Amino acid sequence: KQEVTQIPAALSVPEGENLVLNCSFTDSAIYNLQWFRQDPGKGLTSLLLIQSSQREQTSGRLNASLDKSSGRSTLYIAASQPGDSATYLCAVGDSGTYKYIFGTGTRLKVLA
Amino acid sequence: GAGVSQSPSNKVTEKGKDVELRCDPISGHTALYWYRQSLGQGLEFLIYFQGNSAPDKSGLPSDRFSAERTGGSVSTLTIQRTQQEDSAVYLCASNVQGVQETQYFGPGTRLLVL
Repeated sequence: KQEVTQIPAALSVPEGENLVLNCSFTDSAIYNLQWFRQDPGKGLTSLLLIQSSQREQTSGRLNASLDKSSGRSTLYIAASQPGDSATYLCAVGDSGTYKYIFGTGTRLKVLA
Repeated sequence: GAGVSQSPSNKVTEKGKDVELRCDPISGHTALYWYRQSLGQGLEFLIYFQGNSAPDKSGLPSDRFSAERTGGSVSTLTIQRTQQEDSAVYLCASNVQGVQETQYFGPGTRLLVL
């Protein structure tokens, strides 16, 4: 059974710091891995999607990497800003069950 | 164009009552998902519709939960005889190719069962 874990559960950093969020999954049979952002009381917004054949994706200050063989992904946020404060969720598109399996998220707070 | 919409945005009900939650997917999206997000938890898959295929109901937690999708568009999630543990945010998402592409989420319905 696919399980997705995110660490840390919460993170508080001063503005301007570069930071890394971690996501691990137990079964490498995936179609893709996505990183989402969730603001309080809102739905999820997709940030980056990495297909299983890809190693990384970049969008602005965000860079996500995927190491399928080791079951790991990282989301790198450069020069963090207070507006980056949100919960970040990773999800794998599980090819065994044809479902998205979500981690429990990392709650990020960037202090001005 | 319009995104995924959900209604109501908030629902407070008494234990034992039935509730209906509605999801309007993006036009043309054949795949529709329902998830439940309890406080401090990740998203829990509930049910998946894809076109005219039989829905994947494997995530529904009990027979009090049911969902339908009419005309391949709007979906309704029904919870009968609500319990306090049903309190959560119910999120709907849609796309075209299912698990092989990103999904677009609605804002959710916050359900509180007293």
